[in-house]
Amino acid sequence: EADIYQTPRYLVIGTGKKITLECSQTMGHDKMYWYQQDPGMELHLIHYSYGVNSTEKGDLSSESTVSRIRTEHFPLTLESARPSHTSQYLCASSERWETKNIQYFGAGTRLSVL
Amino acid sequence: GESVGLHLPTLSVQEGDNSIINCAYSNSASDYFIWYKQESGKGPQFIIDIRSNMDKRQGQRVTVLLNKTVKHLSLQIAATQPGDSAVYFCAESTVSNFGNEKLTFGTGTRLTIIP
Repeated sequence: EADIYQTPRYLVIGTGKKITLECSQTMGHDKMYWYQQDPGMELHLIHYSYGVNSTEKGDLSSESTVSRIRTEHFPLTLESARPSHTSQYLCASSERWETKNIQYFGAGTRLSVL
Repeated sequence: GESVGLHLPTLSVQEGDNSIINCAYSNSASDYFIWYKQESGKGPQFIIDIRSNMDKRQGQRVTVLLNKTVKHLSLQIAATQPGDSAVYFCAESTVSNFGNEKLTFGTGTRLTIIP
């Protein structure tokens, strides 16, 4: 069982609000990721980090930003939420072992912007 | 660009029967593949993985087959149970421009087990 936690699980907010989605893991993994997923669809990588003070944009362009000040914490921020940001956001972490790169996922945050 | 896609978006199987979920990938350089299971309201959960130097790997009730010639991956679930109902994703591991691995996920197949 992976120890990776996301809060809140559900969030409904109005347009223009600033929000931060929290993600924490207790496994000591160096690598962390944020994915965006529409219901029943594939996961799109929006941000990733390979360690403290290291962040990169993923394959899908996103207006969100991330920070990695501590190994265990990888929050995602939207400065001004819009209805187009409505989606599910999944956080994951991994630690490479030999040639394996298993990512462990949190339960996700389902965001609705009105 | 590279992509990982699934042949069928939905699959219904009678409880107790075996199921096969297929996945096609396009990057012949991918060397590692994972199957994930995602239940409603939850994040994806690791099921089984396989390296490109293998063509078959078995777990508990699950088997993954890899055919590198046609770039095809499949997940076989034996004696399906109601708890197997979920969306299944395949993912391939590719090396990014920064020399680090990342996963590319397919669209997903929704498996429904009929009681």
